[in-house]
Amino acid sequence: ETGVTQTPRHLVMGMTNKKSLKCEQHLGHNAMYWYKQSAKKPLELMFVYNFKEQTENNSVPSRFSPECPNSSHLFLHLHTLQPEDSALYLCASSQDVWRDKTGELFFGEGSRLTVL
Amino acid sequence: GDSVTQMEGPVTLSEEAFLTINCTYTATGYPSLFWYVQYPGEGLQLLLKATKADDKGSNKGFEATYRKETTSFHLEKGSVQVSDSAVYFCALEVGGTSYGKLTFGQGTILTVHP
Repeated sequence: ETGVTQTPRHLVMGMTNKKSLKCEQHLGHNAMYWYKQSAKKPLELMFVYNFKEQTENNSVPSRFSPECPNSSHLFLHLHTLQPEDSALYLCASSQDVWRDKTGELFFGEGSRLTVL
Repeated sequence: GDSVTQMEGPVTLSEEAFLTINCTYTATGYPSLFWYVQYPGEGLQLLLKATKADDKGSNKGFEATYRKETTSFHLEKGSVQVSDSAVYFCALEVGGTSYGKLTFGQGTILTVHP
């Protein structure tokens, strides 16, 4: 596989469930990102990891818990979500946040989350 | 804070028509500017970029010029094709100590009919 792969592509969960989104990149990058895409709103940066270390948490509620075990994998653990958290969650990667000045992020296709 | 404003969509055009999608920004410092495109069922991908004033980014027949005086980065294409149907996102990045933190506009849906 090449590029950035996200699973699952679609997820429906109740407010009391616990689920996880997975992202894997095969590009040899060192930085990974979670973005949230809601209807009629701009993409919102949630988290940034650089060389497995979290470098950005954009005031995201604690019901979203990211995990980056290595530079190729990124998870978003979900628990006690609200219906307004329903959105498309996009994972992206880039070389790294300190030296990569191209601004080019490589995105996955996203995980469509519906919270009932 | 930093922000990007795109023209409201959706935009519907006939094949071979001229396309303009407006984008204006507010930022501290001197941002780099980008257009990303999202084809149906796919992730976003970089279309073009410009890193300083008066730079012109171009790719696949699309162009955009970094206008500092008007804080704009409008996307243009002289003759669109059905395959250009997608969602287009304008974005900026204020580098400094951390790259990769993009601020996006809300996206503009483009539909091109044969």
